[in-house]
Amino acid sequence: AQTVTQSQPEMSVQEAETVTLSCTYDTSESDYYLFWYKQPPSRQMILVIRQEAYKQQNATENRFSVNFQKAAKSFSLKISDSQLGDAAMYFCASKHYGGSQGNLIFGKGTKLSVKP
Amino acid sequence: DSGVTQTPKHLITATGQRVTLRCSPRSGDLSVYWYQQSLDQGLQFLIQYYNGEERAKGNILERFSAQQFPDLHSELNLSSLELGDSALYFCASSVAQGAPQEKLFFGSGTQLSVL
Repeated sequence: AQTVTQSQPEMSVQEAETVTLSCTYDTSESDYYLFWYKQPPSRQMILVIRQEAYKQQNATENRFSVNFQKAAKSFSLKISDSQLGDAAMYFCASKHYGGSQGNLIFGKGTKLSVKP
Repeated sequence: DSGVTQTPKHLITATGQRVTLRCSPRSGDLSVYWYQQSLDQGLQFLIQYYNGEERAKGNILERFSAQQFPDLHSELNLSSLELGDSALYFCASSVAQGAPQEKLFFGSGTQLSVL
């Protein structure tokens, strides 16, 4: 069974600084995708970034980038130049081919606070 | 705005009751997914429908059922409600059957409170 673990229940960062959120996962599959979702107080789940497991190059989306270590099964999210609007819950998730294809497996989340 | 519409936004009911949550997917999306977010269990996948047919099933209780109609909207029915069913229920949609490369678009959720 797939599992996703986020070991940091809460994190805090100063505005304009950089913060890294940790995520580890466990899967026996060779093909899978990894995701970071943001959930602001509005509750809506917003896709921040995604990574295909077969790609060695780390995904980037503007100020958001990941550090994907496949052998270590680690998938951390780096937020650069943090902004007040980045304050939210962040969820790491995985999804694999076959089986229950709709089944996004989520971690418990990390609550990020941004201090002005 | 994700294009996925969920109604109602909030629902308060009593134990033992039955409720129906509604979801309209993005225009053109054929798959609808239901997720439950609770404090103790986190975010859990419940069920997926693709073009009217059940496609995948997760940790969905027998007291819960869902369906997808010909116009592709979906309903999640929760019956014999218990206090522990209080949660935020999300609907999401995707364009096809749900391969990992497909993006999921989430609605804003229905907050269910069982008193």
